[in-house]
Amino acid sequence: AQSVTQPDIHITVSEGASLELRCNYSYGATPYLFWYVQSPGQGLQLLLKYFSGDTLVQGIKGFEAEFKRSQSSFNLRKPSVHWSDAAEYFCAVGPSYNTDKLIFGTGTRLQVFP
Amino acid sequence: DTEVTQTPKHLVMGMTNKKSLKCEQHMGHRAMYWYKQKAKKPPELMFVYSYEKLSINESVPSRFSPECPNSSLLNLHLHALQPEDSALYLCASSQLGQIEGYTFGSGTRLTVV
Repeated sequence: AQSVTQPDIHITVSEGASLELRCNYSYGATPYLFWYVQSPGQGLQLLLKYFSGDTLVQGIKGFEAEFKRSQSSFNLRKPSVHWSDAAEYFCAVGPSYNTDKLIFGTGTRLQVFP
Repeated sequence: DTEVTQTPKHLVMGMTNKKSLKCEQHMGHRAMYWYKQKAKKPPELMFVYSYEKLSINESVPSRFSPECPNSSLLNLHLHALQPEDSALYLCASSQLGQIEGYTFGSGTRLTVV
């Protein structure tokens, strides 16, 4: 069965510090992986995606993520966090060719202190 | 146009009311989705429409009734809801056959009183 795990429920960082949000997945075939960000009361915005090829993918707002097949991970990183990055971050797997649904992790809430 | 538009943004309804949520996209996407999101939880899939036909119903109670009148519109009809149905309802769309991820609307915040 497909699943996504985000081990960190809540992370707090200082503005200007580096950030890494963890995501581990369980998937039977080549995964399609996504990171979404959600500000309070808003919809989800796609930050970046991985399908194949270069395992380091660049996204919007200065975010990047690295796919590591050996570790079943797709961690999100940012070198220097801005206060406006405070939000909920969701890792997701899919859609596969058998289903049309994204499987979301439980999310990581990012808090940024000045 | 690269947006999914949802109306209304906020809705308060009584348990005996009938209301509808609307979702519209003009990106030519042929798959549309309804998700329900409770506070501090990830979105949960409710329905999937592919080529305007219902392809997935995640065992959603019949008090939620989806409708896809055409390829650009998706409705969610609500009737006799319970307070526990209060949540953020998100619509999304995607292009079938292309793994590009979903485009989400900003959601309708529903409160059932």
